[in-house]
Formats: sequence, structure tokens, C-alpha cells
Amino acid sequence: AQSVTQLDSHVSVSEGTPVLLRCNYSSSYSPSLFWYVQHPNKGLQLLLKYTSAATLVKGINGFEAEFKKSETSFHLTKPSAHMSDAAEYFCVVSSSYSSASKIIFGSGTRLSIRP
Amino acid sequence: EAQVTQNPRYLITVTGKKLTVTCSQNMNHEYMSWYRQDPGLGLRQIYYSMNVEVTDKGDVPEGYKVSRKEKRNFPLILESPSPNQTSLYFCASSSYPTGPYEQYFGPGTRLTVT
Repeated sequence: AQSVTQLDSHVSVSEGTPVLLRCNYSSSYSPSLFWYVQHPNKGLQLLLKYTSAATLVKGINGFEAEFKKSETSFHLTKPSAHMSDAAEYFCVVSSSYSSASKIIFGSGTRLSIRP
Repeated sequence: EAQVTQNPRYLITVTGKKLTVTCSQNMNHEYMSWYRQDPGLGLRQIYYSMNVEVTDKGDVPEGYKVSRKEKRNFPLILESPSPNQTSLYFCASSSYPTGPYEQYFGPGTRLTVT
């Protein structure tokens, strides 16, 4: 079975400070992991994905995430937040070997940026 | 430009009045799916389709129908909408349903059922 837990429903940081959005997953098979971003009134856009290559994954807009199998985590980070980063972020788990052919979304983390 | 389009973007309707939300993709993807997004619940899959004439239920299929007569189109049908179907709906497509394949999302359809 697969599941994904985003540990914070809302994160607020000051502009220029680091961002950390936390995601834990559970998967019976080797998972693929994704982070998607949703800006207000927009669809979801892929930020980055992990597919069993490098454990540190770099994405768009300066975001990166590290796959830690021992901790079953895939936290999203950015060294310095910009106002334009304010959005909803979703962690997603998927497995190529899942007979259910399902993709599981986390409940989302809303990121607010203080000026 | 590679994209997924949905229409309409906004819809207000009354209980019981049948409606259809269209979805179309121009990337020749075999896999398409519908999600609904509700506050605090993330995205939940309604139906998905692995190919033309092949559809299956997701996690929350009750009250919805779909069809896949052409590869590019995957309409969502609400035969008799109810207020609990008020939500934000997204169509998505990808080249494969699971594994390391990005999903491409439409812009969303905000549905209100009164």
C-alpha cells in the first residue's frame, strides 16, 4: 500500500529565509516521488521528481528535495524564499509496480511568504 | 504548445441538472484522469482511463461518469449533480499512469451546485 503525509498544512516564512516543506511516504515498492506546485487559480505544475537516480533532486525555481529511504522522507527545500513562491505544494507518490495503478497525493502545504 | 484544456472554467448549476465538463490533451497521452480538490484533502482521483474505451474507477467515483471515445478527449459527466459535488476539478494526462512520469494538469473547473 502507498500513502503520503505532508506534515504541515501551512508554513509561513519571511522573504529571503529558507523554506522547508516536509513529506513522508509509505510504499511497498520502489517509489517515484514528485512535488507539484499550485499557484492561486492555476493548475498543478511539476517542481521536481525522484526516480531512483540521484537522491538529491533539483527542480525549477531553485527548489530541491532529498530522498531519504531510511527516514521515508522527501522534504522540499529552498535556500531563500521569494514572494512568488507563495502557493500550495503537493507531495505525490507513485509506484511502477503497484497493481492498483494509483497515484497518491498528499493533502497539501500552503506556503505563505512574509515581506 | 503541449497542454490540457478544460471547459468550462467556472460553472454554477442547480441540483439535478445534468452537466459535462470537457477535457482535451494534445500530447498523444494514453493515460488520462479526473481529480477533485477539496480543502485539506488534496487531490482525490475520480476516474481514470488507460486508453480509448478503457476506463476505471478511482477513489471517489460515486455520482460521476466518464467516457473515452477518442484518445485526446476525456469528458466528466455529472448526471444528477448534488451540492456535495461542489468542488474544484482537474483533468490530467500522462504517458503512463504510474512510475516516473509527469502528469500534466488542466487549469481546473470550479463547480458550484446549489
